[in-house]
Amino acid sequence: GAVVSQHPSRVICKSGTSVKIECRSLDFQATTMFWYRQFPKQSLMLMATSNEGSKATYEQGVEKDKFLINHASLTLSTLTVTSAHPEDSSFYICSARSELYTGELFFGEGSRLTVL
Amino acid sequence: AQSVAQPEDQVNVAEGNPLTVKCTYSVSGNPYLFWYVQYPNRGLQFLLKYITGDNLVKGSYGFEAEFNKSQTSFHLKKPSALVSDSALYFCAVRDGHHGSSNTGKLIFGQGTTLQVKP
Repeated sequence: GAVVSQHPSRVICKSGTSVKIECRSLDFQATTMFWYRQFPKQSLMLMATSNEGSKATYEQGVEKDKFLINHASLTLSTLTVTSAHPEDSSFYICSARSELYTGELFFGEGSRLTVL
Repeated sequence: AQSVAQPEDQVNVAEGNPLTVKCTYSVSGNPYLFWYVQYPNRGLQFLLKYITGDNLVKGSYGFEAEFNKSQTSFHLKKPSALVSDSALYFCAVRDGHHGSSNTGKLIFGQGTTLQVKP
């Protein structure tokens, strides 16, 4: 199947700093990527839909200014957690689809963010 | 609005026995249904999908699922469980409507932990 690479896998930062997470589709082009957040032993919560060349679409309750998403190319989307606080600590997972309508999503390995 | 329900937080089976992980869904249009598996601190791995056609779908690692439109269900099954199948399983749905307004976002159930004991 298609490969989605996510980096970094783990990051620890101080409160108030910003952290960038990258999501790359390695062997296919993805006009749309999705960012999810997962709390321990819970399901994946969709945060936003990242569209190449345009603004991201955020789900209700997700702060746009807090979670900045940039989809600069067909193979790269980035999520920046700005002014991070301990409550932002979570597992963030990106995904992308190789076929527009019927394809399954391929997921990155996730990024564990810990804010001290 | 789309939604998915996995009624069991955990399923316990003995190795070699058949397993079933339940999933029901709600979607306005035709459903596209998926099963994923997640191992600790890892991303999700795709198991199988139903888009159209035969209601019984076969996927990776010997898993299969049956689409039941009348019961709006898509239960995951395997005839003989392995200890290595122990993991967190997610059912997901998206609206199959083809159009510019459909971003194709996937909505996940709450997950079911499968525990296979030797």
